[in-house]
Amino acid sequence: QVQVVYSGTEVKKPGASVKVSCKASGYSFTNYFMHWVRQTPGRGLEWMGVINPSGDTTTYARRLQGRVTLTRDASTSTVFMELSRLTSDDTAVYYCARGWQPGRHDVFSIWGQGTLLTVSS
Amino acid sequence: SYVLTQPPSVSVAPGQTATITCGGNNIGTKSVHWHQRKPGQAPVVVVYDDTDRPSGIPERFSGSNSGNTATLTISKVEAGDEADYYCQVWDSSSDEVVFGGGTKVTVL
Repeated sequence: QVQVVYSGTEVKKPGASVKVSCKASGYSFTNYFMHWVRQTPGRGLEWMGVINPSGDTTTYARRLQGRVTLTRDASTSTVFMELSRLTSDDTAVYYCARGWQPGRHDVFSIWGQGTLLTVSS
Repeated sequence: SYVLTQPPSVSVAPGQTATITCGGNNIGTKSVHWHQRKPGQAPVVVVYDDTDRPSGIPERFSGSNSGNTATLTISKVEAGDEADYYCQVWDSSSDEVVFGGGTKVTVL
């Protein structure tokens, strides 16, 4: 079955950057889009971006454009989300979310417990 | 950018029906998906493509979508259905996923 393992909890200072990873298993990694979604206290679910199965194209949420970068390593079935110029508003649980079906990008399943990022001075 | 509007909260007695709306301009032309998030757990898709239910999701969960409103209906509500529910679409004009603000369902 599909499983993901996230990198650990992060605590960062404002202005810093963070890189979070999500290692997937149990399915053909290169057949599925991978999204990143975050859950912020009091602000619900927020979509951050998506990387396509081949890893050569990405689409980002406009409000995060320029701060978020998605990459992937097919050899280890791992996707990475890097977020720069952190503020306290970035404090959230970050999830990777696999496309619902191969080649499909418009709906996804959110996996695992996510990674908690706390931004505080 | 495309906006999805949900009521912040819905309260329902056990055994009754909960109706959660998701409003958006011509949302009936889009595929709507519903995510359920229970405290401390990852969100789970309960309805996708307006009306389809993933395996393992009870038949009590159903969806519809027409005009400017999509609806998630939970019949015979149980205490375990208490959660936040989010509607979601892909906005092809902006190439973005859009979530509604979420609706907290409280079982009285």
